[in-house]
This record gives sequence, structure tokens and C-alpha cells, in this order.
Amino acid sequence: NAGVMQNPRHLVRRRGQEARLRCSPMKGHSHVYWYRQLPEEGLKFMVYLQKENIIDESGMPKERFSAEFPKEGPSILRIQQVVRGDSAAYFCASSPATGGGYTFGSGTRLTVV
Amino acid sequence: DAKTTQPTSMDCAEGRAANLPCNHSTISGNEYVYWYRQIHSQGPQYIIHGLKNNETNEMASLIITEDRKSSTLILPHATLRDTAVYYCIVRVARSDKLIFGTGTRLQVFP
Repeated sequence: NAGVMQNPRHLVRRRGQEARLRCSPMKGHSHVYWYRQLPEEGLKFMVYLQKENIIDESGMPKERFSAEFPKEGPSILRIQQVVRGDSAAYFCASSPATGGGYTFGSGTRLTVV
Repeated sequence: DAKTTQPTSMDCAEGRAANLPCNHSTISGNEYVYWYRQIHSQGPQYIIHGLKNNETNEMASLIITEDRKSSTLILPHATLRDTAVYYCIVRVARSDKLIFGTGTRLQVFP
């Protein structure tokens, strides 16, 4: 049973480009969460999704960031017009139900140059 | 904001018990205490959680005080691979998100 799969592991983008981060939840998990970790800081909640629905996006920046979890395929975190401050590790987690145990992926390290 | 307070760092000799404290004086009756750890820059790993009773699993033990205002995570026989940042988190039952603080950096030395 594969765990939470995130790709790419490392992503380098120039300022102004778009970044797309993908997350495939564990088999049987229909809840996906995205977190961001800046260097030397703890993880910060960004967004919680279920299939085709955004449940809680209270941690998402108002501009340039969006997330989706389509009926088929992985969840996507999209960052438009990236800036240097977007450089961070982005972690995805999945669970079988709200309040259930989380399993985290290995993260995507985004570097904006 | 995180509702927990943890020491910034701790050391532990290999083979000895590591006792990691956590204060959560404003915890509510329906909030659980969760522990995760993050080894190097990997994704956080679930360790254990509890409400008011002490809990034990294959990784660790969780001791929660009777007033629930603090707890201690115990790694009974620390190994070098237990070197990590340990996060204590309070979480409302069936809520959607975890609020991470800055955690405790545990260094296990030979």
C-alpha cells in the first residue's frame, strides 16, 4: 500500500513562473490537506479538500494560490507568478475521514530563483 | 496560533529514555493531544495521541496529567534514529487541521 505520493520532490522556478505541485493520497483516503513549511519554522495549514470540494482554505494566501482535488487524479496545488517568498517545503497529507489519522507525504521543495 | 508550549531543544543519550514535555494549559475538554515528529526534512510522522488516559504504542508512551494541562511523550529507549523535531499538538476531535508550533529538537547522542 503506497503512502502519500508527492511530486516533484524538488522544483525550481524563476520569479513570475507557475508552480504545480501534485499529491496522490493513500488508497482509500478521500481527504487531502496541504501544509507549507518555511525554513526553520513549523508547518502551516493551507487548505483542506475532499473530492471536488474545498472544505477549508483559511490558510491559503488570497492571491496566486489555488488548490483542487478532482474526481479523478491527484490533488494539485498551483502557485501562479511565484516570488522568492514562496520558496518552501510543501507537504500534503491524506486521511480516510475528517479527524482521522493523517499520513504525510515526503514533500515538494520549491525554490524560486 | 499553536496552543502548546515546548522546550526548544533537548539532548538524550542513546539507550536512555527521552522525556519530552508539553504544556497545553488552555486545552478544552474535547481536544486531543497529538504528537508528531519530523526527521530531518521529511514529512511529519504520527507518533501517538490521547484524550485523558495514558496511552502506549510500539513507538512511545503518552502521559497526560490529571488536569490535562500538560503531557509528556516518552521514548523508552532512544536511538540515534529518534533524532528529530517533535511536535505536540492539540486538536479538536474530528477537526480538519493540525496547528503546529515550533516543536522540540531532540538530539540523541552516542
